[in-house]
Amino acid sequence: GAGVSQSPRYKVAKRGQDVALRCDPISGHVSLFWYQQALGQGPEFLTYFQNEAQLDKSGLPSDRFFAERPEGSVSTLKIQRTQQEDSAVYLCASSLDRSNQPQHFGDGTRLSIL
Amino acid sequence: DAKTTQPPSMDCAEGRAANLPCNHSTISGNEYVYWYRQIHSQGPQYIIHGLKNNETNEMASLIITEDRKSSTLILPHATLRDTAVYYCIVKGYSTLTFGKGTMLLVSP
Repeated sequence: GAGVSQSPRYKVAKRGQDVALRCDPISGHVSLFWYQQALGQGPEFLTYFQNEAQLDKSGLPSDRFFAERPEGSVSTLKIQRTQQEDSAVYLCASSLDRSNQPQHFGDGTRLSIL
Repeated sequence: DAKTTQPPSMDCAEGRAANLPCNHSTISGNEYVYWYRQIHSQGPQYIIHGLKNNETNEMASLIITEDRKSSTLILPHATLRDTAVYYCIVKGYSTLTFGKGTMLLVSP
């Protein structure tokens, strides 16, 4: 079955470059979430969309991080002027809605900043 | 959201039941208990969730104490593929907050 799909699976960039990470949620899922997972840690919340509306971006670590979901389906997480501390796995999850429906995760994009 | 406490690691023999405990003494009435697991290099996988009644699905059973201050995830017949980090999360109307979880090692 079609789960959450993320691309690319791996991304290497030089410090200062901009990167864009893509998330294709499960079809029909209203809610979409982005998480950041540092090595050896649990995922940490970045931002949340309900359809195309970004309702919570409290977890974004700086204004270099920007996320969008213009048509309420595919989402892109963009990081500008990357720094070494941005190296992490970026996970996307989707759910039917934001009530008590479970979130289903993709396998993430592993970002390495050189 | 309420905090959870889990042992950092557990061992289990293949074929035996794995019982993973979780304490959530500050859970409030509208908060659910969720369990996820994460196998190396994969995203977290949803296992099960519940409010106050015990729940069972094809993957596991969730036992929640009557006072809701603790719960146990039961994998009835652990296999080597169940080796993973297991996260117990208490969630209300908010996002998931992951702790460090329990590293379950299933051995032959």
